[in-house]
Amino acid sequence: GAVVSQHPSRVICKSGTSVKIECRSLDFQATTMFWYRQFPKQSLMLMATSNEGSKATYEQGVEKDKFLINHASLTLSTLTVTSAHPEDSSFYICSARLAGGRSYEQYFGPGTRLTVT
Amino acid sequence: AQTVTQSQPEMSVQEAETVTLSCTYDTSESDYYLFWYKQPPSRQMILVIRQEAYKQQNATENRFSVNFQKAAKSFSLKISDSQLGDAAMYFCAYRSPGSARQLTFGSGTQLTVLP
Repeated sequence: GAVVSQHPSRVICKSGTSVKIECRSLDFQATTMFWYRQFPKQSLMLMATSNEGSKATYEQGVEKDKFLINHASLTLSTLTVTSAHPEDSSFYICSARLAGGRSYEQYFGPGTRLTVT
Repeated sequence: AQTVTQSQPEMSVQEAETVTLSCTYDTSESDYYLFWYKQPPSRQMILVIRQEAYKQQNATENRFSVNFQKAAKSFSLKISDSQLGDAAMYFCAYRSPGSARQLTFGSGTQLTVLP
């Protein structure tokens, strides 16, 4: 089956530093990847939609200069949290849609837990 | 904008019994997809079942089945013969047929399975 990986699985960083999270589709090509944020005991909130070779589309209220998304290839999208602050601590999940696949096929990564101290 | 509502923050069921999780949604579209995802403690999202709105027949996957009422905009999940491994957070999700094809999630229902 289609597998999506995320790296790192968890990261602790100091306030003011930047952190990069990678999302890879391991055995398929993904024209579209999605980035979600999940606070404890809450639902997944879509942050942005990332399309290969073009600029990401951000949801209302998500700062595009703070959450930089790059989708440089059909198998890799990165989310960089710039100048991280404690309120950015959360669980970040990516998902990937199969290129040319049927519309319901979207696969989730295992998530990255970010803690900003 | 589409909204998805799960009115049961927590549910519990005895092992081997049946439980139904509720989900309602609001949309003006006639063609769309509905999903139930499971998120166990590992936090990995797992697709449980999906339903295409144009299909009248309710989807079934082994012990999991849905009751899809399009006119009422209701999409409940029934888990039969509940097992300890079914314990998880369950999210109902809606997908538009549009080009973005992003998912809109409900707030989730935490299911506890009692031995």
